[in-house]
Amino acid sequence: KQEVTQIPAALSVPEGENLVLNCSFTDSAIYNLQWFRQDPGKGLTSLLLIQSSQREQTSGRLNASLDKSSGRSTLYIAASQPGDSATYLCAGGLRIKAAGNKLTFGGGTRVLVKP
Amino acid sequence: GAVVSQHPSRVICKSGTSVKIECRSLDFQATTMFWYRQFPKQSLMLMATSNEGSKATYEQGVEKDKFLINHASLTLSTLTVTSAHPEDSSFYICSAKDRGPTNTGELFFGEGSRLTVL
Repeated sequence: KQEVTQIPAALSVPEGENLVLNCSFTDSAIYNLQWFRQDPGKGLTSLLLIQSSQREQTSGRLNASLDKSSGRSTLYIAASQPGDSATYLCAGGLRIKAAGNKLTFGGGTRVLVKP
Repeated sequence: GAVVSQHPSRVICKSGTSVKIECRSLDFQATTMFWYRQFPKQSLMLMATSNEGSKATYEQGVEKDKFLINHASLTLSTLTVTSAHPEDSSFYICSAKDRGPTNTGELFFGEGSRLTVL
């Protein structure tokens, strides 16, 4: 069974500062790891997907790394902006027969970027 | 990216009634869809895995007679909350995996459905 933990639960930074969000997982047989953004009362927006064979993925100001041996993933957001304020969720996937991928979510990190 | 649509986005019902939530994959086929539940300020908890043409697989502690799941086609799964009670009030989110040959295992999520039971 996969367990996913995100620390800290909340983070407040001034605009322009880089954000570092941490995610840890217990099962190193992870299939993939996804990072999501969730705005209040809304669904999930997929940010980055890292396959188990990859070590990192990048998209614009976002960079996510994956270290299976230590059971960690880190999401970096460069030069944060007030619009980056949201809850960020990481989810570890375990491959299950027929269904393909079963995600377990962390508790999320609520980010506030102050102007 | 692939689009998953949920309907309704918000629903208010009286205690004891049943509510159906639809999850559709708009531009891809999904043999498997997942239903999650999210309480305020908490993370998503997997409720069940919906398999096209077969019975859903429920997670431990989720009542299958309470939360009926039907996956009748490759683009539609429905979740019916039967005899709803106030404690069933929550945010329900579905996700789907593209069954196509180039799929990466990435799951695409709907916008969620907020259920309020009075």
